[in-house]
Amino acid sequence: GAVVSQHPSWVICKSGTSVKIECRSLDFQATTMFWYRQFPKQSLMLMATSNEGSKATYEQGVEKDKFLINHASLTLSTLTVTSAHPEDSSFYICSALLGTSGAVPQYFGPGTRLTVT
Amino acid sequence: GDSVTQMEGPVTLSEEAFLTINCTYTATGYPSLFWYVQYPGEGLQLLLKATKADDKGSNKGFEATYRKETTSFHLEKGSVQVSDSAVYFCALDSGGSNYKLTFGKGTLLTVNP
Repeated sequence: GAVVSQHPSWVICKSGTSVKIECRSLDFQATTMFWYRQFPKQSLMLMATSNEGSKATYEQGVEKDKFLINHASLTLSTLTVTSAHPEDSSFYICSALLGTSGAVPQYFGPGTRLTVT
Repeated sequence: GDSVTQMEGPVTLSEEAFLTINCTYTATGYPSLFWYVQYPGEGLQLLLKATKADDKGSNKGFEATYRKETTSFHLEKGSVQVSDSAVYFCALDSGGSNYKLTFGKGTLLTVNP
């Protein structure tokens, strides 16, 4: 149980184009999902918290107009990187919160490798 | 603010060796503590967790004990295998309604046959 998928697993796009990454909780409903960015050999940087039915909450320094997050249903959140540039190349990982009380672990997707050329 | 400090890697061990990866934390209140593992090219998987002082989390031969007095949550395994090669992240959730995790920088473990 508690499986989270991401699609695509990897994507290459040209500079200036937009890319959409999907995050799905396959066997549970998640009112809250998180989006992270991970640079090579580094830890995860939280970009934003995605709540179903409301606007995402972005961390300081993350451009909300560049990284559009939509949490349209209890099992799907999307991250759209708009007008991508080479510096946006990274490993993007989502996670979903299982439950809302107690010590609630986050379950992570397998990640999406984005390369902007 | 909250923070997690992990021992810096990389850590290289021979198969069947004993593993310890140190993790200490700073947090307000009573955080929940987690260890996540990331295999090459994959996302993070929850390895184990502990929610209160003196709790011991365990899974797949790994274990960690929540030590409030030393603010530590060290990861141990008695006999590592090649398949344990991965990056290990210590993390905490300080509680509250935002459920945000604070991660350590990760420790790369390589186990040689």
